[in-house]
Amino acid sequence: NAGVTQTPKFQVLKTGQSMTLQCAQDMNHNSMYWYRQDPGMGLRLIYYSASEGTTDKGEVPNGYNVSRLNKREFSLRLESAAPSQTSVYFCATEDRSSYEQYFGPGTRLTVT
Amino acid sequence: LAKTTQPISMDSYEGQEVNITCSHNNIATNDYITWYQQFPSQGPRFIIQGYKTKVTNEVASLFIPADRKSSTLSLPRVSLSDTAVYYCLVGDEYQGAQKLVFGQGTRLTINP
Repeated sequence: NAGVTQTPKFQVLKTGQSMTLQCAQDMNHNSMYWYRQDPGMGLRLIYYSASEGTTDKGEVPNGYNVSRLNKREFSLRLESAAPSQTSVYFCATEDRSSYEQYFGPGTRLTVT
Repeated sequence: LAKTTQPISMDSYEGQEVNITCSHNNIATNDYITWYQQFPSQGPRFIIQGYKTKVTNEVASLFIPADRKSSTLSLPRVSLSDTAVYYCLVGDEYQGAQKLVFGQGTRLTINP
């Protein structure tokens, strides 16, 4: 089992470009999450999805959109990237029986 | 969302017991207390979770007093590989998902 996978691992964008970060899980979990982590800081919740077909804003949703394509996949889109979105992005799923969240390896994004 | 406060950094030595205390004065009745560990360039990893009194697993113990306004993560006999950032979180469940708030965490350094 791969657990939680994220693509790409690294990405460099110019200001104004768009891109989609992909996340997939094979853990059969309903809840999925997108976080960002700036250097030296804790993670901040961008968006989450409690189940297929539902999404909700987290703490820092501005500048992002999400799609819960199916139970396995939850993507994060930057429509017009800004330098302030330079960060490491983590996707996570949650086991509802234990409330334990499982994190992917992260995508390191740089916007110049 | 309940906020947590924990020391920014701690130092200890191999073989020692390390206790990291976290305060969460505004914890709600239904909230659980969860601790995660994060190594550089990796996503956080679940350590332990509890609601009240004491919880123990194969890697740590969690002590929660009766008023639940604080909690202490205890790591027995630490090794160099326990050097990491440790996050104390209080979960806020909303419509089937858990909105976690990560603070800056405690940077634990274990010395030989």
